[in-house]
Amino acid sequence: SQQGEEDPQALSIQEGENATMNCSYKTSINNLQWYRQNSGRGLVHLILIRSNEREKHSGRLRVTLDTSKKSSSLLITASRAADTASYFCATDARGSTLGRLYFGRGTQLTVWP
Amino acid sequence: DGGITQSPKYLFRKEGQNVTLSCEQNLNHDAMYWYRQDPGQGLRLIYYSQIVNDFQKGDIAEGYSVSREKKESFPLTVTSAQKNPTAFYLCASSHRGPSNQPQHFGDGTRLSIL
Repeated sequence: SQQGEEDPQALSIQEGENATMNCSYKTSINNLQWYRQNSGRGLVHLILIRSNEREKHSGRLRVTLDTSKKSSSLLITASRAADTASYFCATDARGSTLGRLYFGRGTQLTVWP
Repeated sequence: DGGITQSPKYLFRKEGQNVTLSCEQNLNHDAMYWYRQDPGQGLRLIYYSQIVNDFQKGDIAEGYSVSREKKESFPLTVTSAQKNPTAFYLCASSHRGPSNQPQHFGDGTRLSIL
């Protein structure tokens, strides 16, 4: 399978703490994307990191990519209760049919007030 | 505001019945996608279309059909051949490009069996 796999499956933290989620994948990629999904809603794109990039920031989000280990991490700093959601990584596998993204099963993040 | 609209939000299917899920976008995107989401399974691709009047099967196309007659619309029909249709269905769209663009999602349709 070319799917990414997120780790951990579930994460529970207090407000103000940092949350780190990891994604591992199996094939070479063009880019890797992170998405967020609130319960019962659609996914929202958070950040895209290209294979030649190692780190990217967007507000309280920091994404790293290690292509040698085929892994990425998403760090949410100073978490808030509103960050409670599922987070998915999705890979654009090199050589795959244009238009396909492969999604992992997600990490369920719960942030307690 | 531009976005993707899925309807209905909830849908119930009787045995032997075909049902159609609507997906409309006004983002001027060429590419559109249908995913199925089951608990603990992540998103699985059913069908996708990169241009009007063309579409390709994804990983779980059996029991589903689509059409792409207009750029803005990509309806999904869940046929009676799909024996386990209960799931959350998500439609997405994106620009075409040399490398995959971010996908924009609708808020889903939850399909259940009566």
